Order: sequence, then C-alpha cells, then structure tokens
Amino acid sequence: NAGVTQTPKFQVLKTGQSMTLQCAQDMNHEYMSWYRQDPGMGLRLIHYSVGAGITDQGEVPNGYNVSRSTTEDFPLRLLSAAPSQTSVYFCASSYISQPRETQYFGPGTRLLVL
Amino acid sequence: AQKVTQAQTEISVVEKEDVTLDCVYETRDTTYYLFWYKQPPSGELVFLIRRNSFDEQNEISGRYSWNFQKSTSSFNFTITASQVVDSAVYFCALQGGSEKLVFGKGTKLTVNP
Repeated sequence: NAGVTQTPKFQVLKTGQSMTLQCAQDMNHEYMSWYRQDPGMGLRLIHYSVGAGITDQGEVPNGYNVSRSTTEDFPLRLLSAAPSQTSVYFCASSYISQPRETQYFGPGTRLLVL
Repeated sequence: AQKVTQAQTEISVVEKEDVTLDCVYETRDTTYYLFWYKQPPSGELVFLIRRNSFDEQNEISGRYSWNFQKSTSSFNFTITASQVVDSAVYFCALQGGSEKLVFGKGTKLTVNP
C-alpha cells in the first residue's frame, strides 16, 4: 500500500492563478479530508468527504473547492490563489466506523502564493 | 463546540530530561477520541496514540506515556529520558461525534544534546 499520496510536494503560484492539489489513497477509506497548517495555528480542516459524491465544509473552506468522484481521489482546487493561501496542505483518510479509526496523513504540499 | 488547548507553545530540555506536554480538551460528546501526532522537522505527521473516552487507563509505550484524566479533561503526554530525535512539534487532537478532527496548536519540543 502506498498509503496517502499528495502531489505536488511544493508549488509556487502567482496571485490569481488556479491549481489543483492532488490527494489519493489506496486503502479504500471512506473518509478523506484536507487541512491547512499555518505557523502557530495547528491544523485546520478545509473540506471533508465521507464517500464518493459527498463533500462538506470544514472550518476554513473559503477559496477552496473539492469534489469526490471516486473513493480513491480527493482533489483540492484553488480557483484564484491569494497570498493568504500560502500554507502547508495535508490530506488525510480513514475508515468510517465505530470505534473511530485513526486518520492517516499524506506527506503534505507546501504552497507559496506570491 | 470542540476545542483542544496546548498551552505550551515551545519547550526546550536537555537530553535525558523527562518532559510532559499538556493537552486540555472541551467537548459535549460523551463518546470521543483523543490523539497525539508527532511532526518531526521533515514535516510529515506521525500518529502516536489514540484513546477513547471510556478508557482512562494510562498507556506506556517505551519512553512514551500518556495520562488521560476525564475529571480534568486532560490527555497529557510524557517523554521519559528525552533524546535529540524526540525534537518535533507534537499535536493533540480530539474527535467527537463525527470523523472531524480538531487539533490543538501544537507544542514545539527541542531536545538539546
């Protein structure tokens, strides 16, 4: 198993550009999510999905779009990048069950918006 | 609303010292889960432990131990005989009635030789 993979590892954008951060998992996990990590802020939830075709907003969704067409993939789209979106982005996945399963994180994507 | 507070922003110790990282949480859920993750300088997030709200037994894994106390809503993490390789940012996280994880802001631990 590759686990949770993210591409790219690093990206530089200019203000107003668009891009898609890719996240994929090969563990057949129903739940996938995106977090951003900023200095002194911990990790904050952007969007999440409990299965293909189902997405919902987290704590900081503005400026980001997501879709979940397959179980494996959960891309995060920035339609018009802003300097405030400079951050490290982590994707995570887990099974949905009781008891709650541990969420496993991808290696992160470092994004710089100029 | 759920909240996790890690009051210690940064801690610096000398190798072989014991160190405790504090975590205080707030939730209205009766069933919830608590986690600790480690983020070394390389940047990845490494899962350390998961605890459910019905199990207040302390956990020990090698030099790591965790003290869960529902009475004080705390889930503290102790590293015994710290080593330079323990230097990292440590995050406490809470998961309640949904899959959503709420993270604390993290504690940066520096272990000096």
